[in-house]
This record gives sequence, C-alpha cells and structure tokens, in this order.
Amino acid sequence: NAGVTQTPKFQVLKTGQSMTLQCAQDMNHEYMSWYRQDPGMGLRLIHYSVGAGITDQGEVPNGYNVSRSTTEDFPLRLLSAAPSQTSVYFCASRRRQGARQPQHFGDGTRLSIL
Amino acid sequence: KQEVTQIPAALSVPEGENLVLNCSFTDSAIYNLQWFRQDPGKGLTSLLLIQSSQREQTSGRLNASLDKSSGRSTLYIAASQPGDSATYLCAVSSQTGANNLFFGTGTRLTVIP
Repeated sequence: NAGVTQTPKFQVLKTGQSMTLQCAQDMNHEYMSWYRQDPGMGLRLIHYSVGAGITDQGEVPNGYNVSRSTTEDFPLRLLSAAPSQTSVYFCASRRRQGARQPQHFGDGTRLSIL
Repeated sequence: KQEVTQIPAALSVPEGENLVLNCSFTDSAIYNLQWFRQDPGKGLTSLLLIQSSQREQTSGRLNASLDKSSGRSTLYIAASQPGDSATYLCAVSSQTGANNLFFGTGTRLTVIP
C-alpha cells in the first residue's frame, strides 16, 4: 500500500512563481487536507476536502488554492509564491470526515521560496 | 482558538528508562486527541487516538491518557529504546471544527544507547 504520496519532495521557487504540490492517496479516503509546518509552530491547516467536489478553508488559506476532482487526488496550488510560504507541506487523509479515525500523512514537500 | 502546548521541548534519556511526555490544551471541548511520531525528514505516523469519552489507550509499550476536564494528556513510553528517538506530536480535534487538528510543537526525544 502506497498510502499518501506527495510530489515533489523538494522544490525551490523564485518569488512570484506558481506551482502545484501533488497529493494522492490509494485508500479510498473521503477526507483530505493540507498542513504546513514551520519551525517553532505546530502544523497548521491550509485547506481541506470532505469529498470529491467539496473543499473548504482551514486556518491559513491565503495564497493557496485547492481542488478535488477525484477521490484520490488533492493538489495544492501556490498562486504567486512569497518567501513567507517557505515551509514543509504535508498532505493527510482520513477515511471519513469527523474525528473518529486517525489521519494518515504523506512524507511532505519541502518548499523554499527565494 | 485552541492552543496546544507540549513540555518539555526536548528530552534525553538512557536506554531502558520509562518516560512521560506531556500535552496540554486550552479548550476542553474536544472530539479526540491524537499522538503522532515524526522522524527527521519524514511525515507523521499516528501512534494512538483517544476519543473524548475515553481515558486512555495502549499500544505495545505506549500508553496515552486523557483528562479532558483539566486539558491534559500524557504519553507514557515504557522501557525506551534508541529506535524511539523521534519528535512526538500531540494534536486535538475540537468539537466546533472536527475537521481541523490543532498541533503542539512537539517533544524531541533522544534515547541514548
């Protein structure tokens, strides 16, 4: 089982560039989410989706877009990269929305914005 | 807004010791609490999930307790091993936003052979 797969693992961008972070899960999970992890801070929720065609904002959504056209995939788009978006990004999934199941995390994408 | 605090930030123990990691949260209206392990350069691995109605969960050498009324949880690791060295993260899911996990900043554990 692949679980939650994130690509790329590392990326360097210049300020103003756009890019898409990919996330795919093969567990038929309904719920998927994106977090960012910054030094000295806990992981913070960017966007989440409770099923195909449904997305919503988390705690820190500004500068990011998401879409959920299939159950398996949940890409995160940086519209115009800024140095403040330098972070480690984690995608997570859970079987259903609601809090009774554990979340499964990918290995992360380490993003640097110059 | 839910605030999650983990103390200590770092901990070093000799192999074989039993140890306790602490987690506190400000809003007791939670759905559940989850303990994760994070290895350097890796993602998070779920260790234990405690529902709000439960007091503890056990998995092997790990035991997690939850005191919702006081806003505290502990992760007990018995007979620590060098392979336990990692960062341990605590996260709570609140009743008002069950889809959002609020994370602490973690405790970095080093088990010395």
